[in-house]
Amino acid sequence: DAGVTQSPTHLIKTRGQQVTLRCSPKSGHDTVSWYQQALGQGPQFIFQYYEEEERQRGNFPDRFSGHQFPNYSSELNVNALLLGDSALYLCASSLRLAGVDEQFFGPGTRLTVL
Amino acid sequence: DAKTTQPPSMDCAEGRAANLPCNHSTISGNEYVYWYRQIHSQGPQYIIHGLKNNETNEMASLIITEDRKSSTLILPHATLRDTAVYYCIVRVATGGGNKLTFGTGTQLKVEL
Repeated sequence: DAGVTQSPTHLIKTRGQQVTLRCSPKSGHDTVSWYQQALGQGPQFIFQYYEEEERQRGNFPDRFSGHQFPNYSSELNVNALLLGDSALYLCASSLRLAGVDEQFFGPGTRLTVL
Repeated sequence: DAKTTQPPSMDCAEGRAANLPCNHSTISGNEYVYWYRQIHSQGPQYIIHGLKNNETNEMASLIITEDRKSSTLILPHATLRDTAVYYCIVRVATGGGNKLTFGTGTQLKVEL
């Protein structure tokens, strides 16, 4: 049973460019959340998708957008990249109606903006 | 979600118990205490959670004080592979739909 997978593992972009990160949730999970983790900090919640709609959003600008597909996989898009967007981007999946409320994280995508 | 306070770092000898404290004095009655850990360059991993009773699973034990204002995560026999950042998170448990609010956690270093 594959866990949460993310692609690519590493990415280098320049300021002003756009980037798309991808996430496949753990088998059986229907909810995907995205987090940004700057160096030395804890992960910060970006947004969450369930039933192909954004359900919750953290304090991130509109340059950050996402999408969830019918197979529950998800994409995170960031437009007009800034140097400060350099971070580890983590995807977490969960089952919305699960009682344990455990989120499973992928290994992350390391984005470097030059 | 209630704010938590954790020491920035702790050391533990391999084979000994690691006791990681967390203060959450503003916790509400419907908020649970969750613990996650993050080994270097990996995604966070769920460890355990509890409401008011002590909990134990194959990874750790969680001790919550009677007034619920603090808790302790116990790794009974720490190994080198337990070296990680440990996050204490307080949140309402409403199924898989709620975000996690991470602080800066405690860097646990297990040494020989």
